[in-house]
Amino acid sequence: NAGVTQTPKFQVLKTGQSMTLQCAQDMNHNSMYWYRQDPGMGLRLIYYSASEGTTDKGEVPNGYNVSRLNKREFSLRLESAAPSQTSVYFCASRGTGSGNTIYFGEGSWLTVV
Amino acid sequence: QKEVEQNSGPLSVPEGAIASLNCTYSDRGSQSFFWYRQYSGKSPELIMFIYSNGDKEDGRFTAQLNKASQYVSLLIRDSQPSDSATYLCAVNSWVDSSYKLIFGSGTRLLVRP
Repeated sequence: NAGVTQTPKFQVLKTGQSMTLQCAQDMNHNSMYWYRQDPGMGLRLIYYSASEGTTDKGEVPNGYNVSRLNKREFSLRLESAAPSQTSVYFCASRGTGSGNTIYFGEGSWLTVV
Repeated sequence: QKEVEQNSGPLSVPEGAIASLNCTYSDRGSQSFFWYRQYSGKSPELIMFIYSNGDKEDGRFTAQLNKASQYVSLLIRDSQPSDSATYLCAVNSWVDSSYKLIFGSGTRLLVRP
């Protein structure tokens, strides 16, 4: 059982380049999330998807787009990368109900130069 | 804006001591509360969750919840150097028509041998 798998693990981009972070979960969870984590800032929600076919903005959505391709997969796209988007990105998934917790992928370290 | 507050630390304790980590939250309607541990360079992993007022024990860990005072704490007994990590408090809140986990920025714990 792989849980939440995200790729790539490390990436260096030049300012203005685009890229997509991929995420897949095998726990049959309805909800999926993308967070970013910066030093001293904790986890901040970028986008989430409560179910297949729906996506909504989180706390810091600017500069990002997402696609919920199917129940398993939720991708995050940076259309024109900026140095401010240098961060660690975590994909996560969650089952239904208020008590179910979130399970995280291993993270993607992105540097924009 | 629903908030979760934690002291950033570092909290330094000697090996074998009790480490006490605290968290306050703003949303009185929150029903479930989670503690995650995050080692440097790794993703957060769930330690405990608590739904009801009072204490919940799991091995060396005890979560305490006081909804009237809007705080949740984590006690780590017989602290070990391997417990050195950042501990994230997360609170389940109803935001924008769905439940979301709101994270604190974390408390860094250092256990001295």
